[in-house]
Amino acid sequence: DIVMTQSPDSLAVSLGERATINCKSSQSVLYSSNDKNYLAWYQQKPGQPPKLLIYWASTRESGVPDRFSGSGSGTDFTLTISSLQAEDVAVYYCQQYYNSYTFGQGTKLEIK
Amino acid sequence: QITLKESGPTLVKPTQTLTLTCTFSGFSLSTSGVGVGWIRQPPGKALEWLALIYWNDDKRYSPSLESRLTITKDTSKNQVVLTMTNMDPVDTATYYCAHRRVQLFDYWGQGTLVTVSS
Repeated sequence: DIVMTQSPDSLAVSLGERATINCKSSQSVLYSSNDKNYLAWYQQKPGQPPKLLIYWASTRESGVPDRFSGSGSGTDFTLTISSLQAEDVAVYYCQQYYNSYTFGQGTKLEIK
Repeated sequence: QITLKESGPTLVKPTQTLTLTCTFSGFSLSTSGVGVGWIRQPPGKALEWLALIYWNDDKRYSPSLESRLTITKDTSKNQVVLTMTNMDPVDTATYYCAHRRVQLFDYWGQGTLVTVSS
């Protein structure tokens, strides 16, 4: 199994400030034949199912605000929220889909 | 518009078999490339992928749970069924079904909480 490890486990950021969440995979999720990273990010608000935000490590899902961005390659990835809004309070998960599916343990994002 | 809804028992006893049904609309599970997956989430914990069935009836299971899981589809009813045998209290979780688009889970049901307790 590919193990996904997120850091930090929780994060408090002031409104309007940048939030950065990291995700590390135990092996590369970059598929050399198409040069794509098989890495997605999800947002989960209390009492709701996860919502797909980012796929192929950096492609925003339709309708996702452009303050959300993804970066990284191979084994190290980052989700950045450029200017935190109150509605961004949630738990964020990374997920690899290179080999089966595994999720990170989640990062809880709160307002400072 | 794609929607999915999970249904099944809210309480099962240890050693029993759990059967969950995902009823969906807005897509067909006979369309090439489409799949439906099951993912669970214990209270306050992370997501865990369980199983996936494709339009061509190909099936994939989590290696750690494969011996306990069976996933089937009824295309005419727009349903996918997941069975999990030998339930244990550690299997207490919210169980989600989700639409698979090109290896991604882009639409999710609201989930159903299943408690395992005697």
